[in-house]
Amino acid sequence: DTGVSQDPRHKITKRGQNVTFRCDPISEHNRLYWYRQTLGQGPEFLTYFQNEAQLEKSRLLSDRFSAERPKGSFSTLEIQRTEQGDSAMYLCASSWGQLQETQYFGPGTRLLVL
Amino acid sequence: GQQVMQIPQYQHVQEGEDFTTYCNSSTTLSNIQWYKQRPGGHPVFLIQLVKSGEVKKQKRLTFQFGEAKKNSSLHITATQTTDVGTYFCAGHTSGTYKYIFGTGTRLKVLA
Repeated sequence: DTGVSQDPRHKITKRGQNVTFRCDPISEHNRLYWYRQTLGQGPEFLTYFQNEAQLEKSRLLSDRFSAERPKGSFSTLEIQRTEQGDSAMYLCASSWGQLQETQYFGPGTRLLVL
Repeated sequence: GQQVMQIPQYQHVQEGEDFTTYCNSSTTLSNIQWYKQRPGGHPVFLIQLVKSGEVKKQKRLTFQFGEAKKNSSLHITATQTTDVGTYFCAGHTSGTYKYIFGTGTRLKVLA
């Protein structure tokens, strides 16, 4: 399978716990995005990487959220001290090229904070 | 802040009828992308428009980008049950890669 993969697909945690999600983009895609989507809403931008550099981060993202892309390949999104409001689908997308910025989305990680 | 609204929020059509969703941005966009998301699925890229006034067609789907690059539309001719899903537009402004997704239009097609 050469698509974007995410792990885990589902995560249930208790409030206050830390969680980490992983995204493996399509090979050779240099751009990687993280989004959050709640029921009935469109994906909400969280952060953007070009290779290993985190070039953009949403101001809505509190300091409890951090993302990395250490070698410009896979990426991780960590949420510290989770809150019930963090419950959502976390989507990763990757793309390649400047003229055609097609974003290929992964299946997402569904987080439920109890 | 930048907002992207879509209308209508919901649309129910009989199979064979046409469908249009409109996307309106509060700011000028560098490009506009359209995605389809099936229930329980993830967004799937449909098309990207870049030029002012651009029109693109994909079989029964017609996409337009407004002259001012602040609005766009997606028109589906003769809907089929396979068209069911939520259609999102998304775009970013010059100098940023922060894609803002629209509020989405959920399409139901009645057989």
